[in-house]
Amino acid sequence: DTAVSQTPKYLVTQMGNDKSIKCEQNLGHDTMYWYKQDSKKFLKIMFSYNNKELIINETVPNRFSPKSPDKAHLNLHINSLELGDSAVYFCASSGDRANYGYTFGSGTRLTVV
Amino acid sequence: AQKITQTQPGMFVQEKEAVTLDCTYDTSDQSYGLFWYKQPSSGEMIFLIYQGSYDEQNATEGRYSLNFQKARKSANLVISASQLGDSAMYFCAMREGPHYGQNFVFGPGTRLSVLP
Repeated sequence: DTAVSQTPKYLVTQMGNDKSIKCEQNLGHDTMYWYKQDSKKFLKIMFSYNNKELIINETVPNRFSPKSPDKAHLNLHINSLELGDSAVYFCASSGDRANYGYTFGSGTRLTVV
Repeated sequence: AQKITQTQPGMFVQEKEAVTLDCTYDTSDQSYGLFWYKQPSSGEMIFLIYQGSYDEQNATEGRYSLNFQKARKSANLVISASQLGDSAMYFCAMREGPHYGQNFVFGPGTRLSVLP
């Protein structure tokens, strides 16, 4: 059983399109996140949700919108895709103890052409 | 200012030798957590080890240990008896504050290459 699963694993799309990445966790964690990893491997927080409520929204274009229908799901919608959106997007979740690290999904490699 | 600094963009180590990957951090919080993650070429992020700011002993997990020097604000990862499968990117991360919901800040990573 995959703990944090995100789909699709690869996404190639044209500029201007709208796309979604789905994330689901079966760990019972209360907090879920979206991170972006750029071509230099730098990981940056985009969004954080705790029990379906947005608690962190870093400076990202408003073309990116997270949606959390329940605490086990956190999807990422991206409108009007741009070349600079090409990156690997990671979903992660964390539990309710201080020593809990993140459990990451396998990542979605988004390529905008 | 960078909250997490990893000064070694790349490191080489001979198989079966030990290697230390550096990490320094910056925080004014008294309560925080430090983590190391491994990212092999396949891309997944693998949790390796955790150190809490109030932990008096250095964390260990198998061949991984964390050399925690609080006054210096450093949390170096030591890998003993390196294996070829240890070749990967390694990220140091910090969670500030006691709240588990706080996000992590990641360092820029160190690429480790283990030589046969």
